[in-house]
Amino acid sequence: DSGVTQTPKHLITATGQRVTLRCSPRSGDLSVYWYQQSLDQGLQFLIQYYNGEERAKGNILERFSAQQFPDLHSELNLSSLELGDSALYFCASSPRGGSGELFFGEGSRLTVL
Amino acid sequence: DAKTTQPPSMDCAEGRAANLPCNHSTISGNEYVYWYRQIHSQGPQYIIHGLKNNETNEMASLIITEDRKSSTLILPHATLRDTAVYYCIVRVLAGGNNYGQNFVFGPGTRLSVLP
Repeated sequence: DSGVTQTPKHLITATGQRVTLRCSPRSGDLSVYWYQQSLDQGLQFLIQYYNGEERAKGNILERFSAQQFPDLHSELNLSSLELGDSALYFCASSPRGGSGELFFGEGSRLTVL
Repeated sequence: DAKTTQPPSMDCAEGRAANLPCNHSTISGNEYVYWYRQIHSQGPQYIIHGLKNNETNEMASLIITEDRKSSTLILPHATLRDTAVYYCIVRVLAGGNNYGQNFVFGPGTRLSVLP
């Protein structure tokens, strides 16, 4: 158990819909990262937040957005969903002053039908 | 961040040492080598990291060549539960104002531990 909690674990929805994935980082961790893992692709970095502020952006689509709240939990919003958005979405956190390692949650599996 | 090259797959007999190589010939002086693994579709798991000295923890050993252009992750007594995809990543250690670094995962090495 990494200490990072992601909900929901599984989500099935239809094209065109919008969903929100939630992540609670490890206690005390200020950084939250979001990654996408599709069936035929590796882990793709989406976005990073540090203490509520966006710090780095990867290959995140304009239809996707994220935020980190004052209590440090984060939400990833996916809108106008397409079939190709079906994937595992991982959240990870890292401690400030640590050695830089990431602690990943178990992921949210999104299926778009 | 520097790119890494890993073999796509490897087999290892249960109980034997698994040696997973990683080439990072363009690594810069302030970049660390990190290893993660992903078992089936679980979240990736941190294994070990190092800068230039060899490192060992309860999971594995990391051997970094003197010129730092390559490294080897060693699982001393592989078990069936070590079957996973292993990722080698090089990355600048975040610190000070350097928070905007992310881990770039390549395709990794799929290790199969065979009975």
